[in-house]
Amino acid sequence: GIQVEQSPPDLILQEGANSTLRCNFSDSVNNLQWFHQNPWGQLINLFYIPSGTKQNGRLSATTVATERYSLLYISSSQTTDSGVYFCAVEGNTGRRALTFGSGTRLQVQP
Amino acid sequence: NAGVTQTPKFRILKIGQSMTLQCTQDMNHNYMYWYRQDPGMGLKLIYYSVGAGITDKGEVPNGYNVSRSTTEDFPLRLELAAPSQTSVYFCASSYDRYNQPQHFGDGTRLSIL
Repeated sequence: GIQVEQSPPDLILQEGANSTLRCNFSDSVNNLQWFHQNPWGQLINLFYIPSGTKQNGRLSATTVATERYSLLYISSSQTTDSGVYFCAVEGNTGRRALTFGSGTRLQVQP
Repeated sequence: NAGVTQTPKFRILKIGQSMTLQCTQDMNHNYMYWYRQDPGMGLKLIYYSVGAGITDKGEVPNGYNVSRSTTEDFPLRLELAAPSQTSVYFCASSYDRYNQPQHFGDGTRLSIL
């Protein structure tokens, strides 16, 4: 099946700093989503972005489907951004469901 | 709308016991999913359904069963609980396969002793 790799696995930032999280995938995709899991374990959908660029407040995401990667940008980070960020993809063939990466654990310090 | 509701939130089982994790959504979504998340790991798909009466296996289906008799409900059944099934279980739904984000419930934390 499709493989998803996220980097870095862990990231520590000072409040106000910017960061870039990366997601590489092994095959063509028709569905790519970014999720945030907060410290209480809740999963929140951030972006549906199989291609192109989207922005939502301090967060933005870019997927370059032809080169098989996606980037999540966090600007002016806040302590509430802490948690784990997951990238999940669905390939063009095979199972009709998302495959999750192992996540990037982000800690924003005041 | 309540979104995706999972019950119970916590449960402790003894080895060999059975239980059903409940999941219901009120968004009229066609697609529903069950995932498990082991400590420090990503989510792995157990089963999914593309509509009432249709289910399919995911990456880790062994030891689990599902049914989808209505659009709203997608229960997950553990028949003979084993310690390896200790995990956090998440149910999710989406309206369609594409162009629609997945919405998650708050999870069920299950321990098997």
